[in-house]
Amino acid sequence: GDSVTQMEGPVTLSEEAFLTINCTYTATGYPSLFWYVQYPGEGLQLLLKATKADDKGSNKGFEATYRKETTSFHLEKGSVQVSDSAVYFCALSGAPRNQGGKLIFGQGTELSVKP
Amino acid sequence: NAGVTQTPKFQVLKTGQSMTLQCAQDMNHEYMSWYRQDPGMGLRLIHYSVGAGITDQGEVPNGYNVSRSTTEDFPLRLLSAAPSQTSVYFCASSRGLHEQYFGPGTRLTVT
Repeated sequence: GDSVTQMEGPVTLSEEAFLTINCTYTATGYPSLFWYVQYPGEGLQLLLKATKADDKGSNKGFEATYRKETTSFHLEKGSVQVSDSAVYFCALSGAPRNQGGKLIFGQGTELSVKP
Repeated sequence: NAGVTQTPKFQVLKTGQSMTLQCAQDMNHEYMSWYRQDPGMGLRLIHYSVGAGITDQGEVPNGYNVSRSTTEDFPLRLLSAAPSQTSVYFCASSRGLHEQYFGPGTRLTVT
């Protein structure tokens, strides 16, 4: 079945460092891909998405490119801030409309940014 | 708009007790889902609904029931709580096929 694999955390970086969180997927068909972020004590928020191959999603300085040839959707940011400390989830949705757009999540990667 | 709301925020149950986790959304979304979040396992889908009166099972449905009598509400019932159901539960809704909006979560402990 469909699955998502993320790099394990926690990841600890200094402020202004470059961030990469790896995400690879297995899916039949042509899934849409997402990054969600969860700040401490909160629910998940959509960070960015890409719906077809070679699309680049971007938001708040974060970027991810949908790479069909490598089945990857790595999250990157050029200069992280302390406020970026959170748990990041990669997810895919390949379900047809009558299945309610079910999301399949990776296990999450905790990011901690130190001043 | 309040978005997706969940109650309670925290709950402690004894093994064998039953309870209902409430979820409501005010965005007129047709799709609603329940997930559980466990350490190192991401989020796993419990049940989902594509509209009022229509529900279906997700990846981990055992021990849980749902119903969808209105577009706004999607309660999750634990029939007989077990320690394995200790988790954080998230409700989500969406209008289209993909982008989901999540509630703040309910942290449940079963002793």
